[in-house]
Amino acid sequence: EAGVAQSPRYKIIEKRQSVAFWCNPISGHATLYWYQQILGQGPKLLIQFQNNGVVDDSQLPKDRFSAERLKGVDSTLKIQPAKLEDSAVYLCASSLGGLGEAFFGQGTRLTVV
Amino acid sequence: GEDVEQSLFLSVREGDSSVINCTYTDSSSTYLYWYKQEPGAGLQLLTYIFSNMDMKQDQRLTVLLNKKDKHLSLRIADTQTGDSAIYFCAENNAGNMLTFGGGTRLMVKP
Repeated sequence: EAGVAQSPRYKIIEKRQSVAFWCNPISGHATLYWYQQILGQGPKLLIQFQNNGVVDDSQLPKDRFSAERLKGVDSTLKIQPAKLEDSAVYLCASSLGGLGEAFFGQGTRLTVV
Repeated sequence: GEDVEQSLFLSVREGDSSVINCTYTDSSSTYLYWYKQEPGAGLQLLTYIFSNMDMKQDQRLTVLLNKKDKHLSLRIADTQTGDSAIYFCAENNAGNMLTFGGGTRLMVKP
């Protein structure tokens, strides 16, 4: 079974630029999560989708972050414009839904300079 | 509210047991998880426990849950150098949201 795929693995951008991350969850997984993990901290949930609907985005900085999950499969997370404090690893995870375990991708490491 | 706390660091000698502790605050959590993160990698689920259990054993791993004190622990028997990583506990509440602790860095000395 293929795991959660994320791209790119690494990205370096200047502040005020835009960036987008892509995630392909495990086939058949209804729930998709985006987490932000700042160095030395635990992952913080940004947004949770159930199929193509948003379940929770209360911690998503909506003035600069946006996410979509068209057709309930792949998802993209965008930051526009980026700030220095957005430097982090962005992790995508998926689960079957309900209370099933979440499987994580390898993450995208973003550095904003 | 939801707040998951862990100690930052643990150092053990190879062959000893490691015990990593976690406290949480959301009493409605139905599952509690332990994830492992190695450098440059995503999170790997190690084990989980349902909230109506107080212990779960899985090979070298033992999870203890004290629901009254909202305390979760992970014991790794016969710790190996390959167990060196960051360990995160996480709670899953009724909204199916995973909330993570800050992680405990386990260092295993040969």
